[in-house]
Formats: sequence, C-alpha cells, structure tokens
Amino acid sequence: GAGVSQSPRYKVAKRGQDVALRCDPISGHVSLFWYQQALGQGPEFLTYFQNEAQLDKSGLPSDRFFAERPEGSVSTLKIQRTQQEDSAVYLCASSPQPASNQPQHFGDGTRLSIL
Amino acid sequence: GENVEQHPSTLSVQEGDSAVIKCTYSDSASNYFPWYKQELGKRPQLIIDIRSNVGEKKDQRIAVTLNKTAKHFSLHITETQPEDSAVYFCAASRGTGGFKTIFGAGTRLFVKA
Repeated sequence: GAGVSQSPRYKVAKRGQDVALRCDPISGHVSLFWYQQALGQGPEFLTYFQNEAQLDKSGLPSDRFFAERPEGSVSTLKIQRTQQEDSAVYLCASSPQPASNQPQHFGDGTRLSIL
Repeated sequence: GENVEQHPSTLSVQEGDSAVIKCTYSDSASNYFPWYKQELGKRPQLIIDIRSNVGEKKDQRIAVTLNKTAKHFSLHITETQPEDSAVYFCAASRGTGGFKTIFGAGTRLFVKA
C-alpha cells in the first residue's frame, strides 16, 4: 500500500518568501506529526494533529510557522517570511492510533533551502 | 526541558562484530522507546521498539534493553553487515500528557567489509 507522501521533495526559496509543504499520510491514520531535521541532527518535533485537531504545537519555532489538517487527512505546513535558519528537511509522519507512543511511518521529507 | 542524549555520535565496526548504541532520557513519564534507521537521503524507518513494562526485546540480530531506573536504553546489533551502515536514532515519548517524540542526535554506524 501507499506510504506517507510528501511534496515537493525539494524546495528552494528566497529569504522572505512564503512556502507551503504538503503531507499525505497513510489513509485512515489518525495521528500526524511534523518534524524539522537539521543536517546531521535528529528530527525535532514541530506539531501534532489528531484527525483535524492540532493538539500540540509547542515545537513550532515562531509564529511564522503554521500547520493545518482541515479534513483530518492531508496536512500543510506553511512558513511565512522564510529565514536562512529555516533551511532543513521537514519530515511528516503518521500513525494509526491517537497517541505518540506508537510506531510512526515517515515520509521522505521536503528539503527546504532558503537563499 | 525533555531531552534524549545518544552516544556515540559515530561508530565504526568490522563486519561480523557487534555494535552498541546508548541513549539516556530525562522525562520520567516516557513509556515508549523506538529506534529508527535512516539511510542517506531516505526516510527514517522503525527497526525495533520497547515499552516501559518490558526490560528487553529481541528481533533476529537486533535487541533493545531498557533500564527505567537509570532512564537508559540501548540498541544492540549482532553479526553486523555492510547494509547495517546508516544513521540510527533513538527516541522517547509519553502515552499520555503529551504528544512529543524526542529524538536523540543520531549515531552514524559504519560497517567495514
């Protein structure tokens, strides 16, 4: 079956531009997570959705970061007025259960480069 | 805040030898400890996990041990093969009271043929 799909795979933007990153989780998965992975580091938690509800956004680094999952399936991570420090791989993961203590299925990520 | 420390950052072993990666967590409410393998440019993939009510779990050449008192858990890979070369991440999360999964910084494992 289809795994977690993210698009685009690569995104280059100029500093100050807005970007939108898309995540298609595995069908029927309740939980959806967004992570930021800097080069040579582990994934850092950004936000968590249970269906359409954003239950934890404590990892979003600033108010320039916004995520949504309006129908409880596809999710979009938006970054406004991008800065160079936003350059990273953005990973999406989903799991079938409504909790974080379950195996997560990751997408291939979007590599974002801010010039 | 919560954090997970992982050691070593790099590990080089000869094919057939064992490899051990160690992690320490700070949040005593953590009860789920997965390990992910990430090959260059690819997605992290779960290789084994352990819950806090179990001290050890094994799956073929891979085993994980957990010491809740010390807040310490380890990954053991026996009879290493070149295809085991990758970056390995440990992680910790709670079941209730939070939705974060905290990852370690990763261990780059090289298996020399």
